[in-house]
Amino acid sequence: EADIYQTPRYLVIGTGKKITLECSQTMGHDKMYWYQQDPGMELHLIHYSYGVNSTEKGDLSSESTVSRIRTEHFPLTLESARPSHTSQYLCASSKWSGEAFFGQGTRLTVV
Amino acid sequence: TQLLEQSPQFLSIQEGENLTVYCNSSSVFSSLQWYRQEPGEGPVLLVTVVTGGEVKKLKRLTFQFGDARKDSSLHITAAQPGDTGLYLCAGVSGNTPLVFGKGTRLSVIA
Repeated sequence: EADIYQTPRYLVIGTGKKITLECSQTMGHDKMYWYQQDPGMELHLIHYSYGVNSTEKGDLSSESTVSRIRTEHFPLTLESARPSHTSQYLCASSKWSGEAFFGQGTRLTVV
Repeated sequence: TQLLEQSPQFLSIQEGENLTVYCNSSSVFSSLQWYRQEPGEGPVLLVTVVTGGEVKKLKRLTFQFGDARKDSSLHITAAQPGDTGLYLCAGVSGNTPLVFGKGTRLSVIA
């Protein structure tokens, strides 16, 4: 069983609010990822990190930021939530060989 | 940007039928993974293939990595309703981030 945790599991928030989605893993993986996914659809890479103090933007990164101060922790922040941010957000960590382990996701609704 | 193309995008079959899902790219990958995702959950790793021509079996699922390490297939024998889900292939090469295909949504009808 994967040791990667996301909180909150569900979040309903008003437009314009700042939110932080938490992700922690206990597997010691250097690589971590954030993906956005609408139900049954493809995963879109938002941000990724290859280790402490290393962060890179993916395809959908322009409205969010991440930090990697500790190996196990990779939070995602939306500075000003909009209805278009309504989606499922998935965090993953992976071995250098590629096998990725996902959290259960955060279902975000912006009203 | 490396791309992984999956086909078919949707597949609806009767219980007991066989099926094959394909994952193709013009890029070479050092390893390729297959994941299965159920609604409301994160993808779960099924298998990793790393050697060109490699074949791995997981019960009724057979995974193959192409000789050139650019493509892979997933074959399910005698599909069951419990196989229903979104199947995703993903690959890694060098220092690039993990690349996912768009997925194949499989529905197995009892």
